[in-house]
Amino acid sequence: RKEVEQDPGPFNVPEGATVAFNCTYSNSASQSFFWYRQDCRKEPKLLMSVYSSGNEDGRFTAQLNRASQYISLLIRDSKLSDSATYLCVVNIGNTGFQKLVFGTGTRLLVSP
Amino acid sequence: EAGVAQSPRYKIIEKRQSVAFWCNPISGHATLYWYQQILGQGPKLLIQFQNNGVVDDSQLPKDRFSAERLKGVDSTLKIQPAKLEDSAVYLCASSLMSGAGSNDYEQYFGPGTRLTVT
Repeated sequence: RKEVEQDPGPFNVPEGATVAFNCTYSNSASQSFFWYRQDCRKEPKLLMSVYSSGNEDGRFTAQLNRASQYISLLIRDSKLSDSATYLCVVNIGNTGFQKLVFGTGTRLLVSP
Repeated sequence: EAGVAQSPRYKIIEKRQSVAFWCNPISGHATLYWYQQILGQGPKLLIQFQNNGVVDDSQLPKDRFSAERLKGVDSTLKIQPAKLEDSAVYLCASSLMSGAGSNDYEQYFGPGTRLTVT
């Protein structure tokens, strides 16, 4: 079983749509969780951290379910500029150092 | 603030040749990471430095890959000899710190070096 699993997509949605991505992780001792965004042929950039209580940043909402080892990202009112690959990332570091494991990413294509 | 710098941006070599990549992290960032990203996959950590010491190199293929960060600032990653399966983007990242309480510290990535081995 992969440490971090994501549906690779692509998810094709029209502008204004709401889209949700899910991710599961296998290491129950994982410390922290993130969503990174990666544009085509560019480097990954942090989109948001994910907290157990759920957190929101504008049109983006992230949720964590530790019991089910499941992370989600919801994007409301999709924009053309949201087209990118969204990487689910889990920190499995257990010695006080951050050790990130990346999923393969979910590709989102937003069309006019 | 200047970001993470990497060079070269692109490199094409033949199998069995050697290649080296260079990374200069964001000023003041103690922790430096090298990742390998194969097409269609997420980045995979190769090695992590805290200042000039290695924290984690468990996924570094040590028979052919080596990395150093001698003065605790910039770093080089070397492959010798290269294989076809080493074709990938090599990403360098840095963060302000690691260690206790650092779980939320953001890693900043450089633009990467795209390596093609023929």
